[in-house]
Amino acid sequence: AQKITQTQPGMFVQEKEAVTLDCTYDTSDPSYGLFWYKQPSSGEMIFLIYQGSYDQQNATEGRYSLNFQKARKSANLVISASQLGDSAMYFCAMREGRSSASKIIFGSGTRLSIRP
Amino acid sequence: AAGVIQSPRHLIKEKRETATLKCYPIPRHDTVYWYQQGPGQDPQFLISFYEKMQSDKGSIPDRFSAQQFSDYHSELNMSSLELGDSALYFCASSLGVAGGTYEQYFGPGTRLTVT
Repeated sequence: AQKITQTQPGMFVQEKEAVTLDCTYDTSDPSYGLFWYKQPSSGEMIFLIYQGSYDQQNATEGRYSLNFQKARKSANLVISASQLGDSAMYFCAMREGRSSASKIIFGSGTRLSIRP
Repeated sequence: AAGVIQSPRHLIKEKRETATLKCYPIPRHDTVYWYQQGPGQDPQFLISFYEKMQSDKGSIPDRFSAQQFSDYHSELNMSSLELGDSALYFCASSLGVAGGTYEQYFGPGTRLTVT
């Protein structure tokens, strides 16, 4: 069963606009972590933001915020004031359990393109 | 800030050859993970190590083996290479502090091409 679902294969957004990338997840483990990574065309995987299942507040990191709706099993990434450099593939990912070496499961990704 | 180091960055091998990929985690990180990302795909987990012990295992072929050394660096050994092994191989590291977030930071990847 798909654990992480990203329903937007691609998105086009005008520069300076805000953008929301959708992510839903499925787990029966009460302890889990949700991640967003950015992968530019150069290939590296850049960590953006993390949300723990027990965190009361939505995570924020600069222009990135995570809209965590636990009951809906949703963890959307919001990028405010988009920039041309935000054009990349974005992956939502999840770690289940409390093990320090638990693997991350990735979604299929959303390719974001920012128009000037 | 220091990041995860992977070497080599690019590797070209022929079928049936062997390859060794190296990963040097962020200083003080004790956990290493290996992922394989095929063209146009999301990364797939291969294997992880915590304090030099194998911790979790994913879809890693029997032809592949890996270990973590006393200095916490890790090596992924790949034998009898096949065309389908061509991919971007990522190493990631995290700090396994109890109750921590275990955020995984990825290296730049090794792009393996098998011809």
